Amino acid sequence: DAGVTQSPTHLIKTRGQQVTLRCSPKSGHDTVSWYQQALGQGPQFIFQYYEEEERQRGNFPDRFSGHQFPNYSSELNVNALLLGDSALYLCASSLSRGVGETQYFGPGTRLLVL
Amino acid sequence: EDQVTQSPEALRLQEGESSSLNCSYTVSGLRGLFWYRQDPGKGPEFLFTLYSAGEEKEKERLKATLTKKESFLHITAPKPEDSATYLCAPASGGSYIPTFGRGTSLIVHP
Repeated sequence: DAGVTQSPTHLIKTRGQQVTLRCSPKSGHDTVSWYQQALGQGPQFIFQYYEEEERQRGNFPDRFSGHQFPNYSSELNVNALLLGDSALYLCASSLSRGVGETQYFGPGTRLLVL
Repeated sequence: EDQVTQSPEALRLQEGESSSLNCSYTVSGLRGLFWYRQDPGKGPEFLFTLYSAGEEKEKERLKATLTKKESFLHITAPKPEDSATYLCAPASGGSYIPTFGRGTSLIVHP
């Protein structure tokens, strides 16, 4: 049973560039959430996608956008990168209306903005 | 606004020395509280979900408990491989979106 996968594992960008991160959910899951985790902090919720629509959004600017595809995979796009966007980006999948809607995380994408 | 405080921030134990990690939370209408383990540079690994005060769950050397304001993660006779950061995350309302604490960094010395 494949777990949550993310690509790429590492990425280096410069300020002002744009980046796209990708996530494939755990088999059988239909909901994908994205988190940003700065060093020494807990994950911060960016947004959640269900049925190809953004269902909820955290306190992140519009530079952060996403998409969910019919096969439930998802992308996170960040425009006009800032130095402060350097972080570990985590994707988590869950089964909507499942028991407790427990979220299972992928290994993350480490983004460094220079 | 949901708030989560984990203590201590860091904990060093000798192998076999049992201890507890604390998670204090303030959320509106708790729907579930999640515990995760995170190794450096990796994604969080799911451990437990607790739903109501008085509930307890166990897995190997770990036991999680829940009250109306706190959750504890008890580690019995830890081993070096239990070294990791342990994250607590309560979820409120109908969203089941967890709010994560900063975690407790646990190091178990052999």
